Amino acid sequence: QVQLVESGGGLVKPGGSLRLSCAASGFTFSDYYMSWIRQAPGKGLEWVSYISSSGSSIYYADSVKGRFTISRDNAKNSVYLQVNSLRAEDTAVYYCTRDRSSMVRGAHLHWGQGTLVTVSS
Amino acid sequence: DIQMTQSPSTLSASVGDRVTITCRASQSISSWLAWYQQKPGKAPKLLISKASTLESGVPSRFSGSGSGTEFTLTISSLQPDDFATYYCQQYNSVYSFGQGTKLEIK
Repeated sequence: QVQLVESGGGLVKPGGSLRLSCAASGFTFSDYYMSWIRQAPGKGLEWVSYISSSGSSIYYADSVKGRFTISRDNAKNSVYLQVNSLRAEDTAVYYCTRDRSSMVRGAHLHWGQGTLVTVSS
Repeated sequence: DIQMTQSPSTLSASVGDRVTITCRASQSISSWLAWYQQKPGKAPKLLISKASTLESGVPSRFSGSGSGTEFTLTISSLQPDDFATYYCQQYNSVYSFGQGTKLEIK
């Protein structure tokens, strides 16, 4: 069965950095687009970034552009989110997701359990 | 950027009620719309994609309709397990979510 396991969250000071990781299993990882989606405490869902199956196509939300970097290693079945210059408003649970269908961008069928990033001095 | 607006923000209903949640896009997104259900402390669950395609294992009391800029999620007969927060999401142009609709027990 499909599994997505995020790690790397934690407490970080404003201006700090973290690298979030998502380990995938149960499917052919290199066939699927992957995204990061976040949810601030008590708030709604915010899409953050996606990466195509090959890694050749990458997009970011305006709120994180220039500060966050998504990447993937298809040999390790993993996707990453490097988060730099963190702000208090980046405090959220960060979810790793897999799109519904192979080779095309679409809805997010599979979600990890999330990893909490807290930005506070 | 495409803005998604859901209404209502909160909906109070009883078991057995038929409820409808509306989602409007700021420009046409064809049928590239998904609906998700989220319960407290859990990851969202995909219910419907491409505006009206029910995902495997989702009860048939859920249905989606619409195209262009106006979409609806309907639950035909509310069950206790359906009280949750629902989000629409467009994926025509990158991605964006609606603000969510919290479905509460009346």
